[in-house]
Amino acid sequence: GENVEQHPSTLSVQEGDSAVIKCTYSDSASNYFPWYKQELGKRPQLIIDIRSNVGEKKDQRIAVTLNKTAKHFSLHITETQPEDSAVYFCAASITTGYSTLTFGKGTMLLVSP
Amino acid sequence: NAGVMQNPRHLVRRRGQEARLRCSPMKGHSHVYWYRQLPEEGLKFMVYLQKENIIDESGMPKERFSAEFPKEGPSILRIQQVVRGDSAAYFCASSPPGSGGTDTQYFGPGTRLTVL
Repeated sequence: GENVEQHPSTLSVQEGDSAVIKCTYSDSASNYFPWYKQELGKRPQLIIDIRSNVGEKKDQRIAVTLNKTAKHFSLHITETQPEDSAVYFCAASITTGYSTLTFGKGTMLLVSP
Repeated sequence: NAGVMQNPRHLVRRRGQEARLRCSPMKGHSHVYWYRQLPEEGLKFMVYLQKENIIDESGMPKERFSAEFPKEGPSILRIQQVVRGDSAAYFCASSPPGSGGTDTQYFGPGTRLTVL
């Protein structure tokens, strides 16, 4: 089955800096890669996703890149703000009528003012 | 449009009791997924259901766990004879119908199960 590795497990940055979180996956058939943000005690919220037919996607301060050859994808957050502090999860899935997500173990991002 | 609803939000059970977790998908969604999150871990897929059908239960333990999504009412995840290792947050997610459903899954607030 699919295996997703996520690094780093914790990341501390100063407000205004950029943050990068990296994930690798094992199944070359995976074709959908969402990123979720989870604040303490709250539900995971989708922040951005990318499909295998594109290499990069941006949404304001957030971008995701995908390298299918190397089987890795990354989340980039620019101009970080304290409210970006949360746990971020990457996931991968094979969409064949439905998609069961395989998640990484998460990255705790702490943005200090 | 209300989001995915789960109840109860917190559930405490003693070893050997039954736990029933309920999930109401977003309006118009007919696909429900259940995930389990252990402390400081990612979410792990358990089961995928459509109305009245279990499509994929490959992530669900063979014993003590069952799930249903009846024609009327919420999806139910049932854990019989709970043990301490069942303590976790259980999240459901829903996605809209389409040609087999779409990728995007919207998560509920979770049920935090504590087994004493």
